[in-house]
Amino acid sequence: QKEVEQDPGPLSVPEGAIVSLNCTYSNSAFQYFMWYRQYSRKGPELLMYTYSSGNKEDGRFTAQVDKSSKYISLFIRDSQPSDSATYLCAMKGTGGFKTIFGAGTRLFVKA
Amino acid sequence: SAVISQKPSRDICQRGTSLTIQCQVDSQVTMMFWYRQQPGQSLTLIATANQGSEATYESGFVIDKFPISRPNLTFSTLTVSNMSPEDSSIYLCSVEGTGEHYNEQFFGPGTRLTVL
Repeated sequence: QKEVEQDPGPLSVPEGAIVSLNCTYSNSAFQYFMWYRQYSRKGPELLMYTYSSGNKEDGRFTAQVDKSSKYISLFIRDSQPSDSATYLCAMKGTGGFKTIFGAGTRLFVKA
Repeated sequence: SAVISQKPSRDICQRGTSLTIQCQVDSQVTMMFWYRQQPGQSLTLIATANQGSEATYESGFVIDKFPISRPNLTFSTLTVSNMSPEDSSIYLCSVEGTGEHYNEQFFGPGTRLTVL
């Protein structure tokens, strides 16, 4: 079993839809959770960063962490064609743990 | 957040040659990371480079193939040696944030390498 599981998609939605991207993980030591957006032929860009459980909102993006279920989500409201990219979840623990990345979900938002 | 630049942005190389990729950060950072991302795949950590010490390589990666230098707190290089077509990939430099961004990880734009 991989430490982090993420459906690679692709996920195709119409413009304006609410997008839900998810990852599950197995290591209860993970405390820091990140979402990256990666456009084609570019490096990953840090989108959201959360510590422990709870929600964090930034504009059209909401990150949710449920440590009891070992499940994290990224919601994109009012999706735009410019949101078309690969979204990678990432997580790490404390005390020198290295960051573990999901496989990435390819998202297409159709105009 | 840290601003990271990489050179070259892309290159096409012949089998058997070597390429050195440079990574420059706009602030002093303790830990720098080198990743490989093959087409359609996620990120694979090659090694962690701390200034003043030998790089720590992940399983499957060796110093002879991927020598790394870390001469100061803002710069590192990764060399891909004796290249083969299997080394064709995107190579990414990454750093851990500082201050309020500690535990966040930032990436450079990547170097797209094609080996013929």
